[in-house]
Amino acid sequence: DAMVIQNPRYQVTQFGKPVTLSCSQTLNHNVMYWYQQKSSQAPKLLFHYYDKDFNNEADTPDNFQSRRPNTSFCFLDIRSPGLGDAAMYLCATSREGPGLKPQHFGDGTRLSIL
Amino acid sequence: AQRVTQPEKLLSVFKGAPVELKCNYSYSGSPELFWYVQYSRQRLQLLLRHISRESIKGFTADLNKGETSFHLKKPFAQEEDSAMYYCALNLPRGGSEKLVFGKGTKLTVNP
Repeated sequence: DAMVIQNPRYQVTQFGKPVTLSCSQTLNHNVMYWYQQKSSQAPKLLFHYYDKDFNNEADTPDNFQSRRPNTSFCFLDIRSPGLGDAAMYLCATSREGPGLKPQHFGDGTRLSIL
Repeated sequence: AQRVTQPEKLLSVFKGAPVELKCNYSYSGSPELFWYVQYSRQRLQLLLRHISRESIKGFTADLNKGETSFHLKKPFAQEEDSAMYYCALNLPRGGSEKLVFGKGTKLTVNP
């Protein structure tokens, strides 16, 4: 089945130690998104790629970066994780073009900071 | 500002009872709304979208622009409906979209 795959499911890192989360998709969707979801809160969009064009949300901290080397893969890099960055990180994809198109989500990576 | 409000954090009903999960939005344009659902240990997935006017798993949702609401309803709840439900407002941005989510309502259907 075509899907969105996030690795790993659980990631533990140390305070200040860079960490990378990965997302891959077999849907061939043009758009890929990264969301942060803290406990009991709504998923919050960090940024997205429309093809190779990177779109950062205004309130996303500089500590968060992303790379999309090709259509299938997208990475979330946290340069110096703080305790407040512990959260579930969700990757999603959607097709481009007009019309109301749903986003397809991965299982998420739960990040813990020691 | 664009905002989605789900006033109930938790909702508990008995099997066979009607259920309504409330969603209100704030948006100056023409709204595009979704309901997403997350079952235990599963990924967030689309339940339904307002333009389809469809019924999925017995759930329906009607957009009421006058009341700025998009409540999710099911006449007879089932135990397998127990899940986290998120209402989301779509903000189109030239091909890609931004979803603004509500905080979610955890529905528990008791036997």
